[in-house]
Amino acid sequence: GENVEQHPSTLSVQEGDSAVIKCTYSDSASNYFPWYKQELGKGPQLIIDIRSNVGEKKDQRIAVTLNKTAKHFSLHITETQPEDSAVYFCAASLGDTDKLIFGTGTRLQVFP
Amino acid sequence: GAVVSQHPSRVICKSGTSVKIECRSLDFQATTMFWYRQFPKKSLMLMATSNEGSKATYEQGVEKDKFLINHASLTLSTLTVTSAHPEDSSFYICSALRSQGGYGYTFGSGTRLTVV
Repeated sequence: GENVEQHPSTLSVQEGDSAVIKCTYSDSASNYFPWYKQELGKGPQLIIDIRSNVGEKKDQRIAVTLNKTAKHFSLHITETQPEDSAVYFCAASLGDTDKLIFGTGTRLQVFP
Repeated sequence: GAVVSQHPSRVICKSGTSVKIECRSLDFQATTMFWYRQFPKKSLMLMATSNEGSKATYEQGVEKDKFLINHASLTLSTLTVTSAHPEDSSFYICSALRSQGGYGYTFGSGTRLTVV
């Protein structure tokens, strides 16, 4: 089955710096790759997603890159702010099904 | 748009009782909803897929008689934890799949279940 690995598990950056989180997946049939931000005690919130027919997508300070050949995708946050502090999860669709398999999460701390 | 309401947000119940959690898509129809379980500082584990008008499909290792799922309408799925035990204590999260007006998943705010 699909396996999604995520690194690093924790990431601390200074306000204004960039943060990069990386994920790898195992199923070459996966075609949808969302990223979620989860704050304590709340449900995940979609921050950006990408489909397998696109290599990069950007939304203001957030970007996602996808390398289908290597089966990895990354989240890039620029000009980080303290309110970016949260747990971030990557996910990949299970093959061409509607199921999502989540990565293990990255706790991002942005220090003022 | 694309809001999913999940209730209750917190519930405490006694061992042996049952608890029902509701997941509603407020402004879109969702033929497919998903239920996840999340342990503290851990990732989301998919428990089951809820399909409107048909039986839910459960992931390996998830007891279907323990976690009853009903998806009776295009906007409502319920998860009932039956004969709850302390080990069922967890954070349960639903999500609804949007297939119209933009593909994607909208998550509920989660339910913290504590069984005492």
